[in-house]
Formats: sequence, C-alpha cells, structure tokens
Amino acid sequence: GENVEQHPSTLSVQEGDSAVIKCTYSDSASNYFPWYKQELGKRPQLIIDIRSNVGEKKDQRIAVTLNKTAKHFSLHITETQPEDSAVYFCAATYLNDMRFGAGTRLTVKP
Amino acid sequence: DTGVSQDPRHKITKRGQNVTFRCDPISEHNRLYWYRQTLGQGPEFLTYFQNEAQLEKSRLLSDRFSAERPKGSFSTLEIQRTEQGDSAMYLCASSSGTQGGGYTFGSGTRLTVV
Repeated sequence: GENVEQHPSTLSVQEGDSAVIKCTYSDSASNYFPWYKQELGKRPQLIIDIRSNVGEKKDQRIAVTLNKTAKHFSLHITETQPEDSAVYFCAATYLNDMRFGAGTRLTVKP
Repeated sequence: DTGVSQDPRHKITKRGQNVTFRCDPISEHNRLYWYRQTLGQGPEFLTYFQNEAQLEKSRLLSDRFSAERPKGSFSTLEIQRTEQGDSAMYLCASSSGTQGGGYTFGSGTRLTVV
C-alpha cells in the first residue's frame, strides 16, 4: 500500500519568512495530493491540493509543487504569519485510499 | 448542512465497555470514511463506505470494531470491549466521490479509555 513520508516533523520560522514542508510517496499510481492544516483540537482542513497532471499550483501565499518522477511533493508558505502556526499534513490518494504523512508542526514566531 | 458532524465530541469510558460514535456527512456526499488519529500522528485509515456499502476495511480495524451506514446517510462506529490502546481521536470524513476529490473532515470524537 501507499506510504507517505513527511519532513520535517517540526519547523520554526520567523514571521515573514518562508516555510517549506516536503513529502514523498511510494505508490506511483497515486494521483491526488492534498494538504491539510490542523489547529490544536480542531479538524483537519483542506488548504490546497494538486493532481498528478499538474506540476505546480498556487493560492495566494500557499503553493504546492509535485515531481511525479521523483514521487515527492512540497508545500510552500511565503510571508508566514503567526496564524499559520498549526500542524500540516500531506496526503497521497489513489482512488479512495488516502494516506497521510505524520505531520509537521509549524511555529511562526512574531 | 454546514459540514460533517460527529457525536459525541468527547467520550470517556472504562476499559471493557462498548462505545458507539455517530457521523453525519455532508448530505450530497456519497462517500464516508473513518480515520483514527493519535497524538503527533497523521490520520490513519480505518474504513470507507460508498453509499451503504462498506467497501474497504483497514487491518487496523480489529473484530472489536464495526461500522455501519445503514441508509447511506449517517454512519456509526462501534468499539466493543474497549482497551486503553483504543484511546484516540476518531475522525469521520466525507467526499463527493469525484476521483481524487478532497475530503471534508468532522471535528472528531475524542475517546479516552480509563
């Protein structure tokens, strides 16, 4: 089955800096890669996603890149703000099987 | 319909007792998923329904766990003879079934087995 590795497990940045979280996946059939943000005690919320036929997608300060050949994808957050502090999860999906990475705890220091 | 609803939000139970959780998905979503999340980990897939049919079960779902979605709407997850290792957040998610579509998660049920 699919195995998703996520790095780093924790990330601390200064407000205004950029943050990058990287994930790798094992199943080359996976074709959909969402990213979720989870604040303490709250549900995971979809923040951006990318499909396998696209290499990059951007939504304001958030962007995701996908390298299908290398089977890795990354989340980029620019101009970080304290409210970006949360745990971020990547996931890889084939058909109905969505597997999550272990998460990255991002802390943005004011 | 404002999203995926789960009930209860918190459940504390004694070891050996049975517990049941409920999930109400977004009404137009035909797919429903149960995940378990422990502290510091990503959600782990448990089982998945398309309409009323349970199509996939993880090996994490021991025979003490059973899930139903009798009318293709709400779903229940029952854990029999709870163990301390069952303590976790149980998340429900739904999707419209579009291949590669995002899931909408509920707020989860936090189970503590004492």
